[in-house]
Amino acid sequence: DAKTTQPPSMDCAEGRAANLPCNHSTISGNEYVYWYRQIHSQGPQYIIHGLKNNETNEMASLIITEDRKSSTLILPHATLRDTAVYYCIVRVAGGSNYKLTFGKGTLLTVNP
Amino acid sequence: GAVVSQHPSWVICKSGTSVKIECRSLDFQATTMFWYRQFPKQSLMLMATSNEGSKATYEQGVEKDKFLINHASLTLSTLTVTSAHPEDSSFYICSAKTSRTSGSGEQFFGPGTRLTVL
Repeated sequence: DAKTTQPPSMDCAEGRAANLPCNHSTISGNEYVYWYRQIHSQGPQYIIHGLKNNETNEMASLIITEDRKSSTLILPHATLRDTAVYYCIVRVAGGSNYKLTFGKGTLLTVNP
Repeated sequence: GAVVSQHPSWVICKSGTSVKIECRSLDFQATTMFWYRQFPKQSLMLMATSNEGSKATYEQGVEKDKFLINHASLTLSTLTVTSAHPEDSSFYICSAKTSRTSGSGEQFFGPGTRLTVL
């Protein structure tokens, strides 16, 4: 699976949009981009995933560049409860191997 | 939907004893479950992949005889830490794969089990 690069930490003001970048320059054509987050001492929570089109759900939006070498997770109105480590993961779609390889992620701190 | 539970949420045991951790998919069937371990201030490390009705596949460096995995049904996988030692103290997290989304099959994670070995 392709490797991802994320900033180790970011800060965001409560109520503002949080934009978390991820570089995945070696991504292959059949690899999806997944985002998970982990609030302290809890299991990771699935947020969103996409292949090449931008995606939006009730939690966030995922913007993938046209060349698919980077993406941005957007939390439109960050709250204090969004403080967590956010993981960007790329993984081959389909097949029998659904392993997720977690990097170090980005610690997002939402400040009041 | 897609809820995964773990039991117990935390456990303290003496060195040399065995501890069993259960992982259940509550509202879906999971043909594949994964077990992760997370040490303080580190990321999740995959330990093994568990497929229902077959032997688990362990990641390199994970002792299969120490970390016994049983995936007896489509909703239950268990991890048994045998002869636990203080260095096995960690946060153990399971995840279950749902195939409800065609082509991607996102995973959903349990809340984790904090193991402390004295």
